[in-house]
Amino acid sequence: QVQLQESGPGLVKPSQTLSLTCTVSGGSISSGDYYWSWIRQPPGKGLEWIGYIYYSGSTYYNPSLKSRVTISVDTSKNQFSLKLSSVTAADTAVYYCASYPRSGSYLGAFDIWGQGTMVTVSS
Amino acid sequence: QSALTQPPSASGSPGQSVTISCTGTSSDVGGYNYVSWYQQHPGKAPKLMIYEVSKRPSGVPDRFSGSKSGNTASLTVSGLQAEDEADYYCSSYAGSNPIFGGGTKLTVL
Repeated sequence: QVQLQESGPGLVKPSQTLSLTCTVSGGSISSGDYYWSWIRQPPGKGLEWIGYIYYSGSTYYNPSLKSRVTISVDTSKNQFSLKLSSVTAADTAVYYCASYPRSGSYLGAFDIWGQGTMVTVSS
Repeated sequence: QSALTQPPSASGSPGQSVTISCTGTSSDVGGYNYVSWYQQHPGKAPKLMIYEVSKRPSGVPDRFSGSKSGNTASLTVSGLQAEDEADYYCSSYAGSNPIFGGGTKLTVL
């Protein structure tokens, strides 16, 4: 059973770059079965899809964040990462990594989620 | 790309049924049968409850059901139980980008 775990700094200064990593366990990130996704949720607000990556490196980003987002994959470590540049207080949120099946069951849905990590943007 | 539209709140008494709507456009909800629903309890990660409009993952009670008509999808919770009190989010494929609804807080009275 695939499990996901986010890691990274909980506090980032304004104008700096937010960096998070998601470690995949219980399965291979290179299996080709999933798009590996980042989703965020500001305090008291709804979910926002940030983007996802396929193990080959193909990426898809939310148009509203595209200019500031980079998602990358490290197949040797079974990890994928998020970088969000030029952060402001509006980027304060719980950040989740999630899997989005590319084939088989649960198409078009985020079937497995990490526990989430809170990132605060403040000086 | 606008978020899908959900009512901010819904409520019902134990044993009753409640339906939550999720309205999009022909470019998302109406254009694809890839609507999903998530349940989120406070401080927890979202949990997939419905996928492909009306399918339930294993382990999700059959009290939860989904449907779609045109550009509007719906989640119905039958036989409400106290543990169903949570936030519910819909999501739809929209071309290369998935989008979410704003969420509905379901209160069990």
